Amino acid sequence: DSGVTQTPKHLITATGQRVTLRCSPRSGDLSVYWYQQSLDQGLQFLIQYYNGEERAKGNILERFSAQQFPDLHSELNLSSLELGDSALYFCASSALLGAGELFFGEGSRLTVL
Amino acid sequence: EDQVTQSPEALRLQEGESSSLNCSYTVSGLRGLFWYRQDPGKGPEFLFTLYSAGEEKEKERLKATLTKKESFLHITAPKPEDSATYLCAVQGGVSDSGYALNFGKGTSLLVTP
Repeated sequence: DSGVTQTPKHLITATGQRVTLRCSPRSGDLSVYWYQQSLDQGLQFLIQYYNGEERAKGNILERFSAQQFPDLHSELNLSSLELGDSALYFCASSALLGAGELFFGEGSRLTVL
Repeated sequence: EDQVTQSPEALRLQEGESSSLNCSYTVSGLRGLFWYRQDPGKGPEFLFTLYSAGEEKEKERLKATLTKKESFLHITAPKPEDSATYLCAVQGGVSDSGYALNFGKGTSLLVTP
């Protein structure tokens, strides 16, 4: 158990809809990363928050947004969903801003029909 | 732009048959190279960090090595429980992506009894 909790584990929705994925980092970790994993692209970095502030952006679509709350949990919002958004979405946390040892949750599997 | 290429994509070994997985990378200012293990339906789990060419790390049947252009994950006398996808990631100098890890697509290892 990594200590990172993600909900929901599975989500099925329709094109055009909006969903919210939730992540609780390990106790004490200030940094939260979101990654998207698909079969053809592998793990793709989306966005990072550190202690409530956005610190880095990767290949995140404009339809996607995220935030980190004062209690350090994070949410990833995906809107105007398309079939191609179907993927596993992972949250990872670390204690330090530039740490390479990340602790991943078990992921949220999103299926867009 | 950082690039990470892993080979082979898939590898099937008999129990006890040693082999190596390759990770070739290009990165601007390597801060670290990381190996993760991912089991089906789970998030990646950290294995090793390598910082400079010539460095080696070992854990049970796994040994990771690093050169200036590639890293190898050597698996000695593997067991069926070593079956998993092994991911390589690099962390370069600060960029728009901050210090986020850039992952390869992984090598799927199957060890049969």
